[in-house]
Amino acid sequence: GESVGLHLPTLSVQEGDNSIINCAYSNSASDYFIWYKQESGKGPQFIIDIRSNMDKRQGQRVTVLLNKTVKHLSLQIAATQPGDSAVYFCAENGSSNTGKLIFGQGTTLQVKP
Amino acid sequence: DTAVSQTPKYLVTQMGNDKSIKCEQNLGHDTMYWYKQDSKKFLKIMFSYNNKELIINETVPNRFSPKSPDKAHLNLHINSLELGDSAVYFCASSPGTARGNQPQHFGDGTRLSIL
Repeated sequence: GESVGLHLPTLSVQEGDNSIINCAYSNSASDYFIWYKQESGKGPQFIIDIRSNMDKRQGQRVTVLLNKTVKHLSLQIAATQPGDSAVYFCAENGSSNTGKLIFGQGTTLQVKP
Repeated sequence: DTAVSQTPKYLVTQMGNDKSIKCEQNLGHDTMYWYKQDSKKFLKIMFSYNNKELIINETVPNRFSPKSPDKAHLNLHINSLELGDSAVYFCASSPGTARGNQPQHFGDGTRLSIL
C-alpha cells in the first residue's frame, strides 16, 4: 500500500550543526513532495516543497533533495537553531492531483544548546 | 491576520454526544481539508472540498459529515462520538487543485477528548 516513512523517529543535534532528516516513500508515481514542521500545540507549518522534475530545491537555511531512483527524500537544515526543535513530516501526493497528501510518521528534531 | 482558524481549540465531551468543529480561511483559497492526527502524531486526510464541492472522502465513518457553506468555510460535524474519535483535528486550505499540487496551510488544530 501507499506509505511514507522516516528512517529515524528522533534526531538530536548540537546547535549550529547541520541537520539531515530522511524520508522514504513507496509510490513511484508520486510527483509532488512537501516538508512540514510541527511545533507543540500548533498545526503543521509549510517549509519547502519539490516536484518530481527537480532533484534539489533550496530555501532559507533549508534544502530538499529528491532521489527518485531509490524513492528517497531528505530535508537539510543548515546551522540548526533551538527554534528548529519540532516534529518534521514529509508527505507525498501519491500521483494524485486532488490535493491529497500522504504523510509520513514524523521525525522529532531536538537541538541541544 | 491571514490564516486558517478553527474553533474550538479544545473540546471535551461525553461519548454519544454530537459536536461540531468550525474552520475558516481568509487566504482566498479554493480548497479546504480536514485531517485527523492520532496520539502517535500520524496525520491522515479525511475530507477535502474544492469550491464547496466534495473532492476527497476517505474511509471515514459516516458519523463524520463535512459541510461547506462557502469556499472560505469547512465545518466538521460528528455524530454519536466514540472513544476512538479522540484526536487532534486539523483544518487546512490550499489555492486550488486546478493549479496542481500546492502547499496546504494548516490551522492550529482542535483537540477532541471523549470521556
